[in-house]
Amino acid sequence: AQSVAQPEDQVNVAEGNPLTVKCTYSVSGNPYLFWYVQYPNRGLQFLLKYITGDNLVKGSYGFEAEFNKSQTSFHLKKPSALVSDSALYFCAVRDRGSTLGRLYFGRGTQLTVWP
Amino acid sequence: ETGVTQTPRHLVMGMTNKKSLKCEQHLGHNAMYWYKQSAKKPLELMFVYSLEERVENNSVPSRFSPECPNSSHLFLHLHTLQPEDSALYLCASSQDASGTYEQYFGPGTRLTVT
Repeated sequence: AQSVAQPEDQVNVAEGNPLTVKCTYSVSGNPYLFWYVQYPNRGLQFLLKYITGDNLVKGSYGFEAEFNKSQTSFHLKKPSALVSDSALYFCAVRDRGSTLGRLYFGRGTQLTVWP
Repeated sequence: ETGVTQTPRHLVMGMTNKKSLKCEQHLGHNAMYWYKQSAKKPLELMFVYSLEERVENNSVPSRFSPECPNSSHLFLHLHTLQPEDSALYLCASSQDASGTYEQYFGPGTRLTVT
């Protein structure tokens, strides 16, 4: 079975501080991993993905994520948070060996950056 | 703008009504998706179309009926809905349905069933 866990419903950080949004996954094979962001009254926007290669993936708006196979994690990070980063963040996974391309999404983590 | 548009943005309908949601993508993608987003729940994949052919129906009740007349357009026909069907319905597209490529989402239709 494939699943994604985002253990924190809410993350609060001060502007200028580093932020981390956590994601752990469970797949039977090797994963494809994605992060998406959703602003109020908008659809999801793609941030970054891990398919293969370097475990550190850089994405849009200064975000990055590190694939850790031993810990089955793909945490989203940013060195210096902005108030405009406040949004709902979703992690998603797909088993590379699956014949269907469906993604499994986490429940989302609400990030609030305080000025 | 993500290149995926959805209409209407808001819809209120009674349980006996029939309505349709429309999605259009301007990205030249070959796969399109319908998702249901409810508060405090993970996104629920409803349907997947690849090259206009339905490749997945994720145990969705028959009161939801998808239609994909071409690779750029996707509809979700609604009839005799229940109040628990109230949610944000998101359309997405991707280069193909392999799961390798990121999905591009529309802004969603906020559906309220009264």
